[in-house]
Amino acid sequence: AQTVTQSQPEMSVQEAETVTLSCTYDTSESNYYLFWYKQPPSRQMILVIRQEAYKQQNATENRFSVNFQKAAKSFSLKISDSQLGDTAMYFCAWRSGGSYIPTFGRGTSLIVHP
Amino acid sequence: KAGVTQTPRYLIKTRGQQVTLSCSPISGHRSVSWYQQTPGQGLQFLFEYFSETQRNKGNFPGRFSGRQFSNSRSEMNVSTLELGDSALYLCASGRENPQETQYFGPGTRLLVL
Repeated sequence: AQTVTQSQPEMSVQEAETVTLSCTYDTSESNYYLFWYKQPPSRQMILVIRQEAYKQQNATENRFSVNFQKAAKSFSLKISDSQLGDTAMYFCAWRSGGSYIPTFGRGTSLIVHP
Repeated sequence: KAGVTQTPRYLIKTRGQQVTLSCSPISGHRSVSWYQQTPGQGLQFLFEYFSETQRNKGNFPGRFSGRQFSNSRSEMNVSTLELGDSALYLCASGRENPQETQYFGPGTRLLVL
């Protein structure tokens, strides 16, 4: 079975600094997608960034970027210039290329301090 | 374009009762998935509906059921509620192609007493 592991239950960072959240996954499939979701205290789950496994280039969305290491099955999220609004739970998720069913990690609680 | 909406947002029930939760997907989305989120188990997939048919199902007991209507709105029903059913129930909608991104609703917080 596919598993997604987020080894950092909690992290904190000072405003304007950079933080990296870790995620590893285990799969034997070659066609899949990886996601980072953000769930602020208001509870609305928001897609932060998505990566197709077949793409070698790391995805980037404004201050958010990923380091996708396919061979190592690692998918870390880097948040640059952290803002107070980045305080949230961050979930890493894996999904097979032909399925709508994602496997989520247990999440990392990120707190951004002023 | 309106996002995914879920009603009600909060619900309190007692053991043994049943509950129905509703999810309206983004216009044009035909896939609706349901998830249960608890502190102990994290995010777990319940089921997914596409064009009024259950396309995928997670590992939950038969007390959890759902359906989808012709307008793609979906309902989830839990019968004979147990204390352990207390959770945040999230739904997410997507287009026809599973390669597309899912968009989540705000969730329904269910408390079973």
